[in-house]
Amino acid sequence: GESVGLHLPTLSVQEGDNSIINCAYSNSASDYFIWYKQESGKGPQFIIDIRSNMDKRQGQRVTVLLNKTVKHLSLQIAATQPGDSAVYFCAERGNNRLAFGKGNQVVVIP
Amino acid sequence: GEEVAQTPKHLVRGEGQKAKLYCAPIKGHSYVFWYQQVLKNEFKFLISFQNENVFDETGMPKERFSAKCLPNSPCSLEIQATKLEDSAVYFCASSLGQIPEAFFGQGTRLTVV
Repeated sequence: GESVGLHLPTLSVQEGDNSIINCAYSNSASDYFIWYKQESGKGPQFIIDIRSNMDKRQGQRVTVLLNKTVKHLSLQIAATQPGDSAVYFCAERGNNRLAFGKGNQVVVIP
Repeated sequence: GEEVAQTPKHLVRGEGQKAKLYCAPIKGHSYVFWYQQVLKNEFKFLISFQNENVFDETGMPKERFSAKCLPNSPCSLEIQATKLEDSAVYFCASSLGQIPEAFFGQGTRLTVV
């Protein structure tokens, strides 16, 4: 199959619990950091973004934290639901292009 | 349209054949991006357009890859003389302007055999 040989970091979480996904970025000059969700067979779907001059931003059930000192980005999902099962990618925007990080798979256990 | 439309959904080509992928961006969006995703892993940036003009092509393997966004036509990505390593899912995305929220299509899965 298409995923032979590929092992994504996987977070297994019980339905209703909170999830935290982490990402390290490389470009200090990036002006936006974004989280995307990719479900099987689909394109990435925008979740939330954060401007580089902020350290926290909240959305509906999601919070993004940015630590520029250690170039670290995290996504917190509150009360994880089965529909949250997907691969999550962080991305940084510089020069109006997105540079994606490696994916993290979230598996929600009902 | 209200979503980025990519065609075909699947494409199989013999090694050395040409492959052509199409993308209709969301109406009113002025930026179009092409990305390559191999094995559900990272996305590799290929090229971006601002309207019909190439904005950034630093990711394109220029020997065999070319792309266009012409007025009143879907954007296209063409691969001449495909190689096995071109097998991937190719995603197109569009955005309203220089904003972080890019909308992605469902992708075209290219398999080179």
